[in-house]
Amino acid sequence: GNSVTQMEGPVTLSEEAFLTINCTYTATGYPSLFWYVQYPGEGLQLLLKATKADDKGSNKGFEATYRKETTSFHLEKGSVQVSDSAVYFCALSPNTGFQKLVFGTGTRLLVSP
Amino acid sequence: DGGITQSPKYLFRKEGQNVTLSCEQNLNHDAMYWYRQDPGQGLRLIYYSQIVNDFQKGDIAEGYSVSREKKESFPLTVTSAQKNPTAFYLCASSLYSGNQPQHFGDGTRLSIL
Repeated sequence: GNSVTQMEGPVTLSEEAFLTINCTYTATGYPSLFWYVQYPGEGLQLLLKATKADDKGSNKGFEATYRKETTSFHLEKGSVQVSDSAVYFCALSPNTGFQKLVFGTGTRLLVSP
Repeated sequence: DGGITQSPKYLFRKEGQNVTLSCEQNLNHDAMYWYRQDPGQGLRLIYYSQIVNDFQKGDIAEGYSVSREKKESFPLTVTSAQKNPTAFYLCASSLYSGNQPQHFGDGTRLSIL
């Protein structure tokens, strides 16, 4: 079946540090991949997406590259800010007809000044 | 602006009482979803609907019911059969196509009195 595995949190960084949050997936075929972000007390917001192998999604300084050979979609940012503190969810959507999104369990990021 | 509106933001339920959470979208999306989020956990799918007057159970449908009488609306009823209803409930919508991202509301936090 389809599944997404994220690194356990929390990830604690100082401001301006480099961020990597690992995400690997298991899926049949060629899924689309997403990163969502959830700020405290709010719903999820789409951060970026990639729909085919070697695509790079980017938004607000965050990037992730769809790596089919390693079935990974790691989230990176070169210099984090305190305002980036949130929970980040990796998700996949199978590209065969209507399918439900499959979410990872989320990774909490805490950035200190 | 288009979006998803969930109400109320906070809801309290007495023992043995049914409560209904509202979800309205003006994005003209065909598909709508309800998720439950517990502290420190990922999202679990309760129900989803691909078109009006049709819906399917998700992974944790017991103790919940939904209706989809209009494209814009997908209310969730938490019944007295749901023994542990305290959680954060998120509504989402998407275009029908499987690789489209889901758009989320800001959530409703349900607590037991």
